[in-house]
Amino acid sequence: KAGVTQTPRYLIKTRGQQVTLSCSPISGHRSVSWYQQTPGQGLQFLFEYFSETQRNKGNFPGRFSGRQFSNSRSEMNVSTLELGDSALYLCASSYVPENTEAFFGQGTRLTVV
Amino acid sequence: AQKVTQAQTEISVVEKEDVTLDCVYETRDTTYYLFWYKQPPSGELVFLIRRNSFDEQNEISGRYSWNFQKSTSSFNFTITASQVVDSAVYFCALSEAQRGGGNKLTFGTGTQLKVEL
Repeated sequence: KAGVTQTPRYLIKTRGQQVTLSCSPISGHRSVSWYQQTPGQGLQFLFEYFSETQRNKGNFPGRFSGRQFSNSRSEMNVSTLELGDSALYLCASSYVPENTEAFFGQGTRLTVV
Repeated sequence: AQKVTQAQTEISVVEKEDVTLDCVYETRDTTYYLFWYKQPPSGELVFLIRRNSFDEQNEISGRYSWNFQKSTSSFNFTITASQVVDSAVYFCALSEAQRGGGNKLTFGTGTQLKVEL
């Protein structure tokens, strides 16, 4: 069974640009969550989607948005990039949404210059 | 508000030593879930264990064992006879029931474990 796939693995963007990251969950998993990992703030929850609906949202500005498609694949978008958005963005999928183990992808390393 | 504290930033041990990683959590909920994840240098978080708040039984899986004590709000992780391949960052995480359902993990800051020959 294929794991969680995130693309691209690495990305370099310029301040002010926008970026879209993609996540394909494990087959059959319908819940997808996104996390940001930085040396200073650690792992922080961004948002979670289930059946194309955003269920939960973390404390991030509106520049961070996401969506989920009918096949459970998810994308997150960051607009007007700032240097502080440089981070490892991790996607996790779960079979059912409530408090089950989440399986993570290898992440997308975003560098904003 | 929920919070997870991993006071040990970095631990270095020699192979075959036992090592315990500490995790202390805070929550106002009576129903919650605790997790441990391993993050090797490749970056992905590898699930190790999930424990719900009503199950205080200790668990052992091979060289790994977990000690959950609600009285001290702790969920500690012990690796017996450590190996170099255990070198990684280990995260403890907490999940509470969300208003709209769903998952939201609150992570500790992680403990970097280095196992040397």
